[in-house]
Amino acid sequence: DIQMTQSPSTLSASVGDIVTITCRASQSISTWLAWYQQKPGKAPKVLIFKASGLESGVPSRFSGSGSGTEFTLTISSLQPDDFATYYCQQYHSYPVTFGQGTKLQIK
Amino acid sequence: EVQLLESGGGLVQPGGSLRLSCAASGFTFSTYAMSWVRQAPGKGLEWVSSITNNGGNTYYADSVKGRFTISRDNSKNTVYLQLNSLRAEDTAVYYCAKAVATTGGHFENWGRGTLVTVSS
Repeated sequence: DIQMTQSPSTLSASVGDIVTITCRASQSISTWLAWYQQKPGKAPKVLIFKASGLESGVPSRFSGSGSGTEFTLTISSLQPDDFATYYCQQYHSYPVTFGQGTKLQIK
Repeated sequence: EVQLLESGGGLVQPGGSLRLSCAASGFTFSTYAMSWVRQAPGKGLEWVSSITNNGGNTYYADSVKGRFTISRDNSKNTVYLQLNSLRAEDTAVYYCAKAVATTGGHFENWGRGTLVTVSS
């Protein structure tokens, strides 16, 4: 199975900051990676697909990059609505696996 | 508008069974793979199972293999998850998710989830 490791687990930042979350795969997944945002009590919402594709309706301050085993999600100019938990997910092969999550909290 | 509505969750004793349903609307159901993802209280997301568009292939997490069964009825636009031999560690919110292709891909739409609680 492909293991996905996110870092950091928790991130404290302020409105207006630029933040980066990293996701590492235990083996190459090409660009078969998605990023999701989840707020408490809500279902996850896809932000980025195929490593760098911006989902329709998602603000352009969200961006993704990487290929192979190293990926990043960057949020430029954090907004109050962005404080949430973020997950990466590989869909290169079954079993699909998620990272453990990164909780982005207000500093 | 894509809508996914899960039902069937509830309180069940260890060793018991439940059948979850996910009624889909707003898209051509038979064209897409469907999946179930769960989230234990205070924990992260865990993929549970997926089924291809025509039901020809199914996939399971090791943690549920042999106990859970995914199926779909394309005439009813519904995907199911049969949960047998339930354990306390199966307690979670179960989300239904629509993939972007016939065989899989990322999950572009999610339901609101249904809570399964396994406890005596």
